[in-house]
Amino acid sequence: GQQVMQIPQYQHVQEGEDFTTYCNSSTTLSNIQWYKQRPGGHPVFLIQLVKSGEVKKQKRLTFQFGEAKKNSSLHITATQTTDVGTYFCAVNAGGTSYGKLTFGQGTILTVHP
Amino acid sequence: SQTIHQWPATLVQPVGSPLSLECTVEGTSNPNLYWYRQAAGRGLQLLFYSVGIGQISSEVPQNLSASRPQDRQFILSSKKLLLSDSGFYLCAGNGAGSRNEQFFGPGTRLTVL
Repeated sequence: GQQVMQIPQYQHVQEGEDFTTYCNSSTTLSNIQWYKQRPGGHPVFLIQLVKSGEVKKQKRLTFQFGEAKKNSSLHITATQTTDVGTYFCAVNAGGTSYGKLTFGQGTILTVHP
Repeated sequence: SQTIHQWPATLVQPVGSPLSLECTVEGTSNPNLYWYRQAAGRGLQLLFYSVGIGQISSEVPQNLSASRPQDRQFILSSKKLLLSDSGFYLCAGNGAGSRNEQFFGPGTRLTVL
């Protein structure tokens, strides 16, 4: 199945600073999804990117899908303490995968007030 | 909208004891269902998935089993727990039309002592 490498593993920022997490694949992806998991909580779907070069925004969050559809990024502008959590990218396992997803290892974001 | 229910929220079990975790789904029919395990501070490992009643696929060899006795019920079991079975167990589902994002339940935090 398809694999994704997510970096960095950890990111500590001061409130107000920007944050970016990256996902990279050695193969072309059909789509990529992003999830957020608050401490002690469960993953929550944020967005799905499908098109080459796609950029989507949700308030302070900007999601990008690379032109080659092999990488993606999530950028948060001016972080707030509510942004704390783990951000995961996820890709379809491919073929007749029955919707199975392969998750990146996640980036744990800590925001210092 | 789709809702995943899981219980219990936390569980402490002795080594060698049996396990049964239940997941139920509301708001959709014939969903694909998934069991994940998450070690502390780590990513999501897919354990089992099911595309219908009685249909179970295992992703990794392990001490656990899964069953789907009803369309909206997914059960994770073990006859004898091991210390290594400790973790955060998440049930997820998808199937809302063509969108393939997964909806997660609140999870069960299992500690095996």
